[in-house]
Parts: sequence; C-alpha cells; structure tokens
Amino acid sequence: AQSVAQPEDQVNVAEGNPLTVKCTYSVSGNPYLFWYVQYPNRGLQFLLKYITGDNLVKGSYGFEAEFNKSQTSFHLKKPSALVSDSALYFCAVRALYGGATNKLIFGTGTLLAVQP
Amino acid sequence: EAQVTQNPRYLITVTGKKLTVTCSQNMNHEYMSWYRQDPGLGLRQIYYSMNVEVTDKGDVPEGYKVSRKEKRNFPLILESPSPNQTSLYFCASSSSGHQPTDTQYFGPGTRLTVL
Repeated sequence: AQSVAQPEDQVNVAEGNPLTVKCTYSVSGNPYLFWYVQYPNRGLQFLLKYITGDNLVKGSYGFEAEFNKSQTSFHLKKPSALVSDSALYFCAVRALYGGATNKLIFGTGTLLAVQP
Repeated sequence: EAQVTQNPRYLITVTGKKLTVTCSQNMNHEYMSWYRQDPGLGLRQIYYSMNVEVTDKGDVPEGYKVSRKEKRNFPLILESPSPNQTSLYFCASSSSGHQPTDTQYFGPGTRLTVL
C-alpha cells in the first residue's frame, strides 16, 4: 500500500536558522510527491512537487525539497526560516490505481513553529 | 483569479439535519475531490469526480453523497449528519484525473461541527 510518513508532529526553529521538515514515502512504481502548507484558518496551498529529473526541487516562498530515492525521502527545506513560515505542512504522494484516480495520500502533518 | 471556493466556511448544525457544502472552481478542471482533515490523520479522500456525471468513492465515503451535474460545481451532501462527521473539509480540483503530475488546488476549507 502506498503511504506517507511525517515522523515529527512539530518542528521548532529559530528565525534565521535553516529548517527541515521530514517526509518518507512508500510507493510501488515512480513516486509523484507534493508539499502543501496550511496557514491558520486558510486552505492548503501548493508549495512544490517532484515528478522526475533533478532531485532538488524549488518551490514557493523560498522552500525547496530534496528527493532521495535510496532513502525514500522527500524532505522540505529552507535556508533561513521566517516567523511567517509558521504553519502546518503536509507531504503527499499521488496514488495510482490503474491510472484512474488522482487521489493524494497525505501524511499526518508537521507543525512548524519559528521563534523570533 | 483562478480559485476553488467553498461555502459555508463555518457551520454548526445538529445531528440528523441535512446539509450541503458547496464547492466551485473557475479553472475548467475535470477532476474534483473532497477530503476531510482530522487531527493525527492528515487528509483523507471522501469522494472524487473524474468529470461531469462521473463520481466515485474515496477512502471514507460513509455518510456522504456528492453530485457533479456541472463541470464547475461539486457539492458535498450530508443527508443525516452525525457527530463523527465533525471535521474540516476541503474541496480540491485539478486539470485531469489521469495525469499524476497535475497539481491539485484546494479551497479554503469548511469547518463543520455536528452537535
């Protein structure tokens, strides 16, 4: 079965420091991986996705993610955290069942708290 | 502006009182989907639609109905809501249901409380 794991419920980081939000996946076949962010009282906003090619994917708001096939990971990173980055982050993998569905399988989410 | 809209944003109701949460997208997307978000469980798919008049169950369809009579609209219907349907609901859409590389765009969410 396809699945996504976000091992940390919360990540705390000081403003200006680099941040990493971890994600590991389990899929059969090629993985299509996504990161979304949810700000308080807002919907999910798309950050970036990995389809194929370069293992380092750049996305919105200065975020990037590194795809590592051998470790089945897709960690979200940012070189310098901002207080405004504080939000709930979701990793997701596209589920493929005979090509008939576009369902996303989500991790449980990681709350990022950036302290001033 | 390209967007997915949902109404209402917040709803408090009582057990058994039928309700509908509307979802509309202005991007001419074929694929639409409903998810519910619960603490510690992430988002789980309720129903999806590949196109007009084509809908199917997701992972947690019990207690929900949907319809897709027009391409832009995908309402979620709770015929007899129960407290275990208290949750945050998201509608999403993408260009196609057959392209795994397509990005899904989400609405702002509807927070439903069933007393």
